[in-house]
Amino acid sequence: DTAVSQTPKYLVTQMGNDKSIKCEQNLGHDTMYWYKQDSKKFLKIMFSYNNKELIINETVPNRFSPKSPDKAHLNLHINSLELGDSAVYFCASSQEGSMSPLPTYNEQFFGPGTRLTVL
Amino acid sequence: EDQVTQSPEALRLQEGESSSLNCSYTVSGLRGLFWYRQDPGKGPEFLFTLYSAGEEKEKERLKATLTKKESFLHITAPKPEDSATYLCAVQEDSGTYKYIFGTGTRLKVLA
Repeated sequence: DTAVSQTPKYLVTQMGNDKSIKCEQNLGHDTMYWYKQDSKKFLKIMFSYNNKELIINETVPNRFSPKSPDKAHLNLHINSLELGDSAVYFCASSQEGSMSPLPTYNEQFFGPGTRLTVL
Repeated sequence: EDQVTQSPEALRLQEGESSSLNCSYTVSGLRGLFWYRQDPGKGPEFLFTLYSAGEEKEKERLKATLTKKESFLHITAPKPEDSATYLCAVQEDSGTYKYIFGTGTRLKVLA
C-alpha cells in the first residue's frame, strides 16, 4: 500500500565511499523528485524528472547522479561521500500532466526519508 | 529571486488556543501554494493546495487562505496531536514548475 517508498531508511558510511538510495512510487505519477533536508529542517530540491526526463538540476555537486529507469523509479547515486552530505534525503512524486500549465492535483507525495550519516 | 518565508519559526499553544501561521512568498508566477505537515522522522504529508488569491480550504481544525503575497494556516482549538512542523511550498509557473519550500513552523500544542 506504500505510495512512495525509499531504501534504505538509514545509511551510515565512511567518507569517500559511494552509495545509492532507491525510490519507487506506485501512484502512477509522471514526475519524481529528490530533496535534501538539512539539520534545520530546510527542504531543498536537488533533482526532478518528468516522464524519465531530467527537468530540474539544481546546483548540486557532480558527485550526485540521479537515474530514472522508468516513471515509477528514481534512484540517487552519490560518489566520494563527504561529511557535508550528511542529511535526510526525501524522494517525492507528483502528477504534473506533462507540465501542463493548468495544474490538477499536483501535490507532492513524499517518501519516509533516508537518513545519511557520513563519518 | 523566488523566496518563501514562514513565521513564526516556533509556536507553543495551549490546547484550545487558536492561532495562525504565516507563509509569505515572492515568486514570478504562482502555479500553486501547498501546505504540508511533517512529523519527526517522517516525510511531509500533504494538507492543502491553493491556486488563486481569495481561495480557502478547510480540513478539521485547519483552514488555509491565500492572498497575492501570503498564505495563512489557521488552527482552531488545537489539540496536542496537531503538534508538528508545518511547511509551506510554492510552485512557480516557469517551464520547470519548481517547488520552493519555506523553513517551516514548529508547532507544539500543550495539553
